[in-house]
Amino acid sequence: GESVGLHLPTLSVQEGDNSIINCAYSNSASDYFIWYKQESGKGPQFIIDIRSNMDKRQGQRVTVLLNKTVKHLSLQIAATQPGDSAVYFCAENIGGSQGNLIFGKGTKLSVKP
Amino acid sequence: DVKVTQSSRYLVKRTGEKVFLECVQDMDHENMFWYRQDPGLGLRLIYFSYDVKMKEKGDIPEGYSVSREKKERFSLILESASTNQTSMYLCASSPPFKRQETQYFGPGTRLLVL
Repeated sequence: GESVGLHLPTLSVQEGDNSIINCAYSNSASDYFIWYKQESGKGPQFIIDIRSNMDKRQGQRVTVLLNKTVKHLSLQIAATQPGDSAVYFCAENIGGSQGNLIFGKGTKLSVKP
Repeated sequence: DVKVTQSSRYLVKRTGEKVFLECVQDMDHENMFWYRQDPGLGLRLIYFSYDVKMKEKGDIPEGYSVSREKKERFSLILESASTNQTSMYLCASSPPFKRQETQYFGPGTRLLVL
């Protein structure tokens, strides 16, 4: 099996329930945030992003919330499905001339049928 | 759709071998990146490039080099592979940083060095 999920916090939810995955970011100057999904054996896949001038952004079945006061980001997945099982991690862009991303370690989401 | 492809999904090499990992993107992106991903350590940036023939060291460049001769292609080179370079290698590309857009990843190359 793939080892990317080892040593990660795990969230286990029942199919059909809502999932909330949290991320604490490190830099108060960060101005752009991204959530990625990584399925076993695959590269990370972009889910949704949000800029620092927003508090909330919605996509299809996903919502990202940004709380700049406490430097916290969350990803909400509505009506979680077995296909949502993956490792989810956030990334922050501290801006500036280089704008490299800083990635969180990730949370493993396990969906029980 | 953005497409980032990597030359191999799985590679097995011997200690001391020279290893080439190739990455190609089809979106005319200026920026390209090489990461390694290890359990418990997350994604760590090895090198990146913001233009042809330009390269910048990331957080863990030791033991690696890169080449960007064409805009669409970014190669990672392990000059003399060692067992501690066994890892998942991920390539990514993005538009210029000022556009504040995400990085798009390839499927990864899982490298085993014996």
